[in-house]
Amino acid sequence: KNEVEQSPQNLTAQEGEFITINCSYSVGISALHWLQQHPGGGIVSLFMLSSGKKKHGRLIATINIQEKHSSLHITASHPRDSAVYICAGANFGNEKLTFGTGTRLTIIP
Amino acid sequence: ETGVTQSPTHLIKTRGQQVTLRCSSQSGHNTVSWYQQALGQGPQFIFQYYREEENGRGNFPPRFSGLQFPNYSSELNVNALELDDSALYLCASSLSRGAGELFFGEGSRLTVL
Repeated sequence: KNEVEQSPQNLTAQEGEFITINCSYSVGISALHWLQQHPGGGIVSLFMLSSGKKKHGRLIATINIQEKHSSLHITASHPRDSAVYICAGANFGNEKLTFGTGTRLTIIP
Repeated sequence: ETGVTQSPTHLIKTRGQQVTLRCSSQSGHNTVSWYQQALGQGPQFIFQYYREEENGRGNFPPRFSGLQFPNYSSELNVNALELDDSALYLCASSLSRGAGELFFGEGSRLTVL
């Protein structure tokens, strides 16, 4: 069983819609990375958070330590947001990063 | 651009051969991690190097080995290639070990025939 679970696996939405991608993780994970992967493979780090909330442009990431849950939100979605979004858990003291299976997001114009 | 460069970008090998993949980390970053991503799957952690020493390893056999050099660039070596080694190999650098922000390269896509 993966220590990091993501949902949904696939998400299709119309341009302008508000998008939420969820990530649940197990005990022992002390920080969450949100990553974006475009076709061709390159990965871009969006956020790294261990508490609270972070915002960058139209992207917002939140984490609830007690519930071991994190969400990535995209406001006013745009076709260029189409990509695979991956959450990955990290343990302080254990350098292994555990990845979720990814959410394939498609934004239709 | 993340400042992390990987080479080669694509390569084809046959079963039993050996391959070396290279990663130049972002300036000032002393930690490099390597990941294997099979088609349609999420990345899997191979190992991490911190200041030229291995600092954590995932569930990969010993034929996967690595090096980190004094300038913090890194190599991933895979011996006795198998068909299942076909994947995208990603490296990521960070300022230091621990859960800091990661900077990924574009990856090296290996095909084993």
